[in-house]
Amino acid sequence: GDSVTQMEGPVTLSEEAFLTINCTYTATGYPSLFWYVQYPGEGLQLLLKATKADDKGSNKGFEATYRKETTSFHLEKGSVQVSDSAVYFCALRGNSGGSNYKLTFGKGTLLTVNP
Amino acid sequence: DGGITQSPKYLFRKEGQNVTLSCEQNLNHDAMYWYRQDPGQGLRLIYYSQIVNDFQKGDIAEGYSVSREKKESFPLTVTSAQKNPTAFYLCATSGSLGSYNEQFFGPGTRLTVL
Repeated sequence: GDSVTQMEGPVTLSEEAFLTINCTYTATGYPSLFWYVQYPGEGLQLLLKATKADDKGSNKGFEATYRKETTSFHLEKGSVQVSDSAVYFCALRGNSGGSNYKLTFGKGTLLTVNP
Repeated sequence: DGGITQSPKYLFRKEGQNVTLSCEQNLNHDAMYWYRQDPGQGLRLIYYSQIVNDFQKGDIAEGYSVSREKKESFPLTVTSAQKNPTAFYLCATSGSLGSYNEQFFGPGTRLTVL
């Protein structure tokens, strides 16, 4: 079945540091890939997405490129801010067989940015 | 405002009681979902619905029940058969079930069993 593996946290950075959160996936066919962000006590917000190989999703300074050859969708940001402190989830939505109705999530990575 | 509302935000239940979590949306989305989130875990799908009066079990449906009598509403009942119900419950919607549309999430309900 589909699965998502993302780097375990917690990740602690200083403000303006470079961020990478690794995400790799296993899926048949050509899934869509997503990064969601969850602030404390809230629901998930879509951060960015990519629906086909080599697509780059970007939003609020965050970027991720859909790499089919390495089955990866790593999240990056060049300069993090304190307000980026949250839990980040990588997810995929399959498009083959019966898997195209749900999101499969990684376990989440807690990011803390210190001033 | 368009969006997804979940109520209550916090819910406390005694063992052996059934409780119902509300999810309402005014996005005119066809598909609705219920997920469960446990600390340090990803989200796991409980139930989903593509259209009114139709719903399907997800990965962890045991001990839960749902209904979809209206397009806007998808309530989740946590029954006494659910052995470990303490968790954060998230409702989500998407424009349609089989497309590449992303899912939009409500603010969540935190259920605690006393």
